[in-house]
Amino acid sequence: DQQVKQNSPSLSVQEGRISILNCDYTNSMFDYFLWYKKYPAEGPTFLISISSIKDKNEDGRFTVFLNKSAKHLSLHIVPSQPGDSAVYFCAASLDNFNKFYFGSGTKLNVKP
Amino acid sequence: GAVVSQHPSWVICKSGTSVKIECRSLDFQATTMFWYRQFPKQSLMLMATSNEGSKATYEQGVEKDKFLINHASLTLSTLTVTSAHPEDSSFYICSAKGVAGLGETQYFGPGTRLLVL
Repeated sequence: DQQVKQNSPSLSVQEGRISILNCDYTNSMFDYFLWYKKYPAEGPTFLISISSIKDKNEDGRFTVFLNKSAKHLSLHIVPSQPGDSAVYFCAASLDNFNKFYFGSGTKLNVKP
Repeated sequence: GAVVSQHPSWVICKSGTSVKIECRSLDFQATTMFWYRQFPKQSLMLMATSNEGSKATYEQGVEKDKFLINHASLTLSTLTVTSAHPEDSSFYICSAKGVAGLGETQYFGPGTRLLVL
């Protein structure tokens, strides 16, 4: 039973435009949500997080939105750059980062 | 930022042999380390959680006698895949949760690709 889902396996965006990556979850007990970026043959690197008590968190070009009623979060990248091309995983945390559940990832391709 | 290393980065072994993977936190002390497995085009799946000086906690469906985890110090955890078989071929990733000040996330190692022939 997958508690965190990313339904879009891939996304292609033109450089300079907005990239929107989506994630849905089922467990209302998750306390934090995170986005990770992963390049081939490397481990995921932390990008941005949001507490379950907030609905928006912004860090430079990256903004994460949380809609608790819909159990949905999204990552916005504006403007998108070719270096952003990677696989993006959303993750949800239980028990204050002691247990993570990951989505299956969305491969973002930013075209020059 | 916090750095986590894994060794080896890739390993090929014959069926029936055992393989040890090391996970080290290089610039912080990790009270808790996590081991994940990722199959192609699938999400990271948590296998077990290890706390320094105590037995690991395994997720449902993960054989503790097959995947031996040792967290001997605050900077080192090892995963040993015993009597490896081709179905154990996967990408294994560790992560570490830091002591106070780094508690907001887990920091991941680069992963170890295991191929069992």
